[in-house]
Amino acid sequence: NAGVMQNPRHLVRRRGQEARLRCSPMKGHSHVYWYRQLPEEGLKFMVYLQKENIIDESGMPKERFSAEFPKEGPSILRIQQVVRGDSAAYFCASSSDIPTNEKLFFGSGTQLSVL
Amino acid sequence: TQLLEQSPQFLSIQEGENLTVYCNSSSVFSSLQWYRQEPGEGPVLLVTVVTGGEVKKLKRLTFQFGDARKDSSLHITAAQPGDTGLYLCAAHGAGSYQLTFGKGTKLSVIP
Repeated sequence: NAGVMQNPRHLVRRRGQEARLRCSPMKGHSHVYWYRQLPEEGLKFMVYLQKENIIDESGMPKERFSAEFPKEGPSILRIQQVVRGDSAAYFCASSSDIPTNEKLFFGSGTQLSVL
Repeated sequence: TQLLEQSPQFLSIQEGENLTVYCNSSSVFSSLQWYRQEPGEGPVLLVTVVTGGEVKKLKRLTFQFGDARKDSSLHITAAQPGDTGLYLCAAHGAGSYQLTFGKGTKLSVIP
């Protein structure tokens, strides 16, 4: 999983600020997924993107959260007006093909702390 | 909504002991995956089981997929401190891109 790069590793924000989490998939991978992990909870699917397209965002809150995967550059998960409940570890994964057929490679995550 | 129930939630054993952790569901899966996650890191795929009744071995780890493809187990022989971590099972729903995870079994192997 060393090939999926996430930054920053740790992000501290005050309530009401914006958080931007970045994910560069493994070389050659065009499918990106974001998951959130709360303490004592399993990983929860948020969104699945391909280059320039959102395929499935059914796991993402309708308000304050957005994701993109532009033609050039990393995928971005953006959280506006953060609240304490947004504190969690956010993981990105990538694959070379659709997920039901291919192995997912996870990054090391971004730990978001909201004060 | 499919649920993957993992047990036990926590397990602390001495080095050299054997252990088994379980992943159960009321849903049938076309395949099931096991991951290991260390603190501060992302999950790493250990194995994918596909066929009902399938048994896969990875060194001291033995994975079994239930005949009905609703449950799975992971058995570790002669556990070592390096086996310490969070073991997660995960599966795709029918025709779904989403990978659903269980809450995991947190294993501690004491030297």
